Amino acid sequence: GAGVSQSPRYKVTKRGQDVALRCDPISGHVSLYWYRQALGQGPEFLTYFNYEAQQDKSGLPNDRFSAERPEGSISTLTIQRTEQRDSAMYRCASSLERASSYNEQFFGPGTRLTVL
Amino acid sequence: GQQVMQIPQYQHVQEGEDFTTYCNSSTTLSNIQWYKQRPGGHPVFLIQLVKSGEVKKQKRLTFQFGEAKKNSSLHITATQTTDVGTYFCAGRGTSYDKVIFGPGTSLSVIP
Repeated sequence: GAGVSQSPRYKVTKRGQDVALRCDPISGHVSLYWYRQALGQGPEFLTYFNYEAQQDKSGLPNDRFSAERPEGSISTLTIQRTEQRDSAMYRCASSLERASSYNEQFFGPGTRLTVL
Repeated sequence: GQQVMQIPQYQHVQEGEDFTTYCNSSTTLSNIQWYKQRPGGHPVFLIQLVKSGEVKKQKRLTFQFGEAKKNSSLHITATQTTDVGTYFCAGRGTSYDKVIFGPGTSLSVIP
């Protein structure tokens, strides 16, 4: 596709349920990032991948959060046993190549998660 | 850990006035990027600075990277209503580090 896509765009779930958020990066982009953005705040780093390898997951808040990118393309961020404090906009971004001088990030439209 | 701060948090200007936002990192950066996010939209890349003391211009926007590579600024000359949005800086410690975004400066332009 022409840009980064994310699905679903909106997700409403009940506390305690698991959710899976999907990111489809720009074709050929090596790096993929997950961020969480609260209203009025900057994107908060969660984790990132180069190809299928998870390079840094230090931003994941706790062990209920996990991410994978098994074939180096589409990525899934999973939140288990959701809590109300998990409600936020979850954004995915991809870039052509991380460790180069050209690592502009292209952001997707985000998934708005609401935990009731 | 690395922290990125921005000031001011909000700025309201009359159309035609200049605007500047400042970004400061707690650690030396390998590069810094600037993004703009319109209300209801997603962050969109504006520019990347890599060299110490680097200055880049995009029409009415001027970006600077400090000599110590720990701070940066974005200056907009003669603001227009199309400049409305939140401007984020994002810094990377080394080429292999994660990117840390600042909290952003929200710009409002009064016509």
